[in-house]
Amino acid sequence: NAGVMQNPRHLVRRRGQEARLRCSPMKGHSHVYWYRQLPEEGLKFMVYLQKENIIDESGMPKERFSAEFPKEGPSILRIQQVVRGDSAAYFCASSPNFVQYNEQFFGPGTRLTVL
Amino acid sequence: KNEVEQSPQNLTAQEGEFITINCSYSVGISALHWLQQHPGGGIVSLFMLSSGKKKHGRLIATINIQEKHSSLHITASHPRDSAVYICAVLNTDKLIFGTGTRLQVFP
Repeated sequence: NAGVMQNPRHLVRRRGQEARLRCSPMKGHSHVYWYRQLPEEGLKFMVYLQKENIIDESGMPKERFSAEFPKEGPSILRIQQVVRGDSAAYFCASSPNFVQYNEQFFGPGTRLTVL
Repeated sequence: KNEVEQSPQNLTAQEGEFITINCSYSVGISALHWLQQHPGGGIVSLFMLSSGKKKHGRLIATINIQEKHSSLHITASHPRDSAVYICAVLNTDKLIFGTGTRLQVFP
């Protein structure tokens, strides 16, 4: 059973470009979480999605950031018009689709560098 | 004040020493995670616990729900244990993270 997969592992963008980060959850998991780790800072929750639904986006910046988890395919975190402050490691985690068991399994992360 | 506090922030040890990392939290939780992160690396979940104590190899995690406190112990520490250890609490459906404890174990 493959773990949580993220790609790309490293992404370099120039200011103003768009960044698309992909997350494929573990097989059988329909809950996906995105977290951001800024340089020298702790991890922060961004968004929680289930298939085709955003459940909690209270940690998402109000502008330029969006997330989706379509019925088919990976979850996508999209950052439009990137700025240097978006440089960070973005981690995705997934959990099984039954309510009582919420252990989250983390992907390897995507390290975004904005030049 | 952070909702999840860890201590110490940095910890150095000699190989073989017993290590304790502490975590205190101020919010309601349904579970607590201990995570390990190597430099430039991904995040590995070590434990998820909601009561009592769990043991896996040389690692032991305990939680006291009444006192809102958890500890991670490493027995017979080894240089390969060098990493950042992160406490995270599950509040509703999202994790709130501590800032991590950077552990270095020297041979």
